[in-house]
Amino acid sequence: DIQMTQSPSSLSASVGDRVSITCRASQSISSYLIWYQQKPGKAPKLLIYAASTLHSGVPSRFSGSGSGTDFTLTINTLQPEDFAIYYCQHTYNIPFTFGGGTKVEIK
Amino acid sequence: EEQLLESGGGLVQPGGSLTLSCSASGFTFSSYAMSWVRQAPGKGLEWVSAISGSGGSTFYADSVKGRFTISRDNSKNTLYLRMNSLRVEDTATYFCAKQGYLKDAFDLWGQGTLVTVSS
Repeated sequence: DIQMTQSPSSLSASVGDRVSITCRASQSISSYLIWYQQKPGKAPKLLIYAASTLHSGVPSRFSGSGSGTDFTLTINTLQPEDFAIYYCQHTYNIPFTFGGGTKVEIK
Repeated sequence: EEQLLESGGGLVQPGGSLTLSCSASGFTFSSYAMSWVRQAPGKGLEWVSAISGSGGSTFYADSVKGRFTISRDNSKNTLYLRMNSLRVEDTATYFCAKQGYLKDAFDLWGQGTLVTVSS
């Protein structure tokens, strides 16, 4: 099974900051990398698919990059509504493993 | 508007059984693969099971293989998860999710239903 490792597990940032979250796959997954955002008590929401393509309606301050084994989610100019937990997931093969999550907290 | 609505969660004793349902609306249900994803209290996301649009292919995480069965009724636009031999560690909120055409990203999620396995 492909393992997905996210770092950091949590970070503190201020409104207006630029933050980056890393996701590493245990083997190459090409661009089969997905990013989700989850807020407390809510279902996850799709942010980015195919490593770098923004899902419809997602603000352009979110961006994704990478291919193979190393991927990054970047949030430019952090907004109050961006404080949440972010998960990566691969859909390269079964099982569709998720990363452990990164909690973005207010500094 | 596309929507998924889960139901069927609740309290069950270890070794017991439960069937979850996920009712879909606003899209052509039979055209999309579907998955179940769970989240234990305070923990991360775990993919559980997937099924093709026709229902002809099914897939399971090792943690539930042999105990859970995914199925769908395309005439009723409904996805199911039959859970047998439940364990305490199966306690979680269970989400159903629609797999889009683009890299199988889960582009629509239900609100989740809580399953608690406890004596």
